[in-house]
Amino acid sequence: AQKVTQAQTEISVVEKEDVTLDCVYETRDTTYYLFWYKQPPSGELVFLIRRNSFDEQNEISGRYSWNFQKSTSSFNFTITASQVVDSAVYFCALISPNSGGSYIPTFGRGTSLIVHP
Amino acid sequence: GAVVSQHPSWVICKSGTSVKIECRSLDFQATTMFWYRQFPKQSLMLMATSNEGSKATYEQGVEKDKFLINHASLTLSTLTVTSAHPEDSSFYICSARGLAGWNEQFFGPGTRLTVL
Repeated sequence: AQKVTQAQTEISVVEKEDVTLDCVYETRDTTYYLFWYKQPPSGELVFLIRRNSFDEQNEISGRYSWNFQKSTSSFNFTITASQVVDSAVYFCALISPNSGGSYIPTFGRGTSLIVHP
Repeated sequence: GAVVSQHPSWVICKSGTSVKIECRSLDFQATTMFWYRQFPKQSLMLMATSNEGSKATYEQGVEKDKFLINHASLTLSTLTVTSAHPEDSSFYICSARGLAGWNEQFFGPGTRLTVL
């Protein structure tokens, strides 16, 4: 069975602080993909990153960075120098081919990030 | 990236009426589409998976007669909420997967349904 755990329900920071959103996953598959999505108040899911299980290199994109650690089954997301516009709900998700061949994505419960000015 | 549209983006209806939500893949062929429901401050809950030309597979606890899904073409899937009631009020999101592979999935912008 697949599972994605985002233990942090809500995080509140002040602008310019760095913040890390945790994501821990479970899967029996050796091939899988991990995703992060941002959902602003408008509701539309915004794709942030996709990482396959064979690529453990950390990735940086502007103020965003991701730390993929297979040893701890974690795929954490860090926002550096947070801004008010970063306020949103962030979802971590997992897709692997084990779901009866349907490749159904599994979402974490989401972390609500509130950045105060 | 690929674009998925949903129509309408929001709808208000009276209790007892039926509402149809469309999900379209605009620049690719979607062999599989997913329908999710999201309650306020909660995660996405998968309702059903539909493959073009075949019946949808519903998740446990989702009433198939209540939420009718049709995936008649490679670019269009529809979700019809039949005899809607206030408890059906929610944010409905579709996503589409193309021929490129199982690891690519594109989300629509969502439809906010309010049943009075």
